[in-house]
Parts: sequence; C-alpha cells; structure tokens
Amino acid sequence: DTAVSQTPKYLVTQMGNDKSIKCEQNLGHDTMYWYKQDSKKFLKIMFSYNNKELIINETVPNRFSPKSPDKAHLNLHINSLELGDSAVYFCASSQWDDGYTFGSGTRLTVV
Amino acid sequence: GDSVTQMEGPVTLSEEAFLTINCTYTATGYPSLFWYVQYPGEGLQLLLKATKADDKGSNKGFEATYRKETTSFHLEKGSVQVSDSAVYFCALSASGGSYIPTFGRGTSLIVHP
Repeated sequence: DTAVSQTPKYLVTQMGNDKSIKCEQNLGHDTMYWYKQDSKKFLKIMFSYNNKELIINETVPNRFSPKSPDKAHLNLHINSLELGDSAVYFCASSQWDDGYTFGSGTRLTVV
Repeated sequence: GDSVTQMEGPVTLSEEAFLTINCTYTATGYPSLFWYVQYPGEGLQLLLKATKADDKGSNKGFEATYRKETTSFHLEKGSVQVSDSAVYFCALSASGGSYIPTFGRGTSLIVHP
C-alpha cells in the first residue's frame, strides 16, 4: 500500500500547455510538500501545506499553483509550461520531525 | 541561514570497500540530522536520522554520528555492495517548530563489482 503516491509518473507535453500533477498520502501526516529536482539532482522546495494551509511558498513563478482539498491531498497545477519547467517533481509528507516520506516522482518533459 | 555541505561526487568504489560521505552543516539551535538515499528512478527514502548531539543513526549497515563540536554527520558503511549505488542526501531540520529540512546537493555513489 503506497504511502505517498503521485500521478502521473511521466508527463510529456508541449510548451504553453497547462498540466496537473496529483499527490495523495495515506500516512495521516499533517504536512505535505512539493519539491523540484533538476538534472543535477539539486532539490528545491516549492510549496508546503500544513493541514490544508499554505505555509511555504518559495520563489516560484506564479504559473505554479498548489491546491490542497484536504490534508491527504496536494495537487500541483502548472500553467503555460516552459522548457525550463522540465524536471522531476516530488511530493512528500511529514509529521513533526520524523523525516519525510517521498513519492516516486513525476518526470515532466516540456517539448 | 541554515545550510548543508556534502562532498562532491561521484564517489566510485569497488564492492566491499569502506564508504565515507562527508556532511557538515550550519544551523542555529539544535537541528535534527538525516541521511536520505535515492535509487535510480525513485524518490528519496529516509535512511537514518539523529536528533541530538552524540546520537548515532544506523540502518542497513550505514551509520552516522551527530557531532556538534565539528558540526558534522558523516555517513559510513563498512562494506558496500553494488546495490548501494545511489545518490545520498544529507539534510537538517531546524529546531523551532518549522521542521522544513534543508538538503545538501547530494553525492552520487557508484559501486563496481
């Protein structure tokens, strides 16, 4: 039973399109996150929600919009996709200071 | 602000060699320290953690000791296997309630048979 699941695993799309990535966790964690990992494996936090409330909103283009309908779900919508958005996007969840549980990632390729 | 510095990779070893991946940190207060591992095509997995000075985290033959005096949390394993080939991330989670970790840039480990 997957703890943090995100879909789709792969996403290939053209520049200018709008796409969404979904994330769900069944761990009962209060906090969820979106991270972007570039081709050099560098991890950059994008957003964090605690119990459906946005608590971190890093310097990310406003084309990226997170939505948390409940504390088990955190989706990421991206408008007007650009070539530079190509990366692997990871959803994660945590409870207090116990460390993160990551999803398996969504590899986004913009062509 | 908080930061984590890891040794640059890739680290290339033969099977059964001893592994050390260095990690040092800068943080105010008393952070918790973590090592995560990312196998090819997968997400990060928590490998081990330590929450206070002199604590030793261990898992799957890997160990790391929280050294406050040297602000370090080096990852070690006595005998690596080919299956240990992955990217390893050191991270800290600052005290004070936010629990948002700061990650190092990752160190790639390649183990040859």
